[in-house]
Amino acid sequence: SQTIHQWPATLVQPVGSPLSLECTVEGTSNPNLYWYRQAAGRGLQLLFYSVGIGQISSEVPQNLSASRPQDRQFILSSKKLLLSDSGFYLCAWSSQGPRNQPQHFGDGTRLSIL
Amino acid sequence: AQSVSQHNHHVILSEAASLELGCNYSYGGTVNLFWYVQYPGQHLQLLLKYFSGDPLVKGIKGFEAEFIKSKFSFNLRKPSVQWSDTAEYFCAVTPNTGNQFYFGTGTSLTVIP
Repeated sequence: SQTIHQWPATLVQPVGSPLSLECTVEGTSNPNLYWYRQAAGRGLQLLFYSVGIGQISSEVPQNLSASRPQDRQFILSSKKLLLSDSGFYLCAWSSQGPRNQPQHFGDGTRLSIL
Repeated sequence: AQSVSQHNHHVILSEAASLELGCNYSYGGTVNLFWYVQYPGQHLQLLLKYFSGDPLVKGIKGFEAEFIKSKFSFNLRKPSVQWSDTAEYFCAVTPNTGNQFYFGTGTSLTVIP
């Protein structure tokens, strides 16, 4: 069966420090991969998605970037974190196909910027 | 840009009451529609989905949703809620052409025993 792993679960970082959040998927190949930020009262905001290795689409211009170095690995990064980057980050995957299939979510990373 | 609106931010119901959560989207083309649920302390999971065909779709745990194309709506319903339905509910839309998913702001449901 397919599983999705996100780490770390929680992270506290100072302003100006770099960031790297990792997401890996097991049990499937060539998935679509997504990064979201979830904020109370604002739902899930799509940040990036990827349909293949090295292919990244950005939905919202911001201080973050994403990379997909391997088929089942999706990384969210920042060179210098801002206070406004605090939040709950979710990774998700879905199967590719003629229709956009339902997404499967990881457990999320709670990021606090001090 | 596409958007998804969930009108009810917080709903409080007594057990056995009926539930309807609204979801409207703005996109002129063909869409696929989803409802997700997030129980306290758990990750998001799929409740039901609509791709095509019968606009009334049934999901897990007695939930159903009706796609009304003319109203750009996909409301979630359950005839009789239980305390265990207390959770946050998210509507999501994805266009048939493209890989983006767009989520609503969520509705927090509290069911009082």
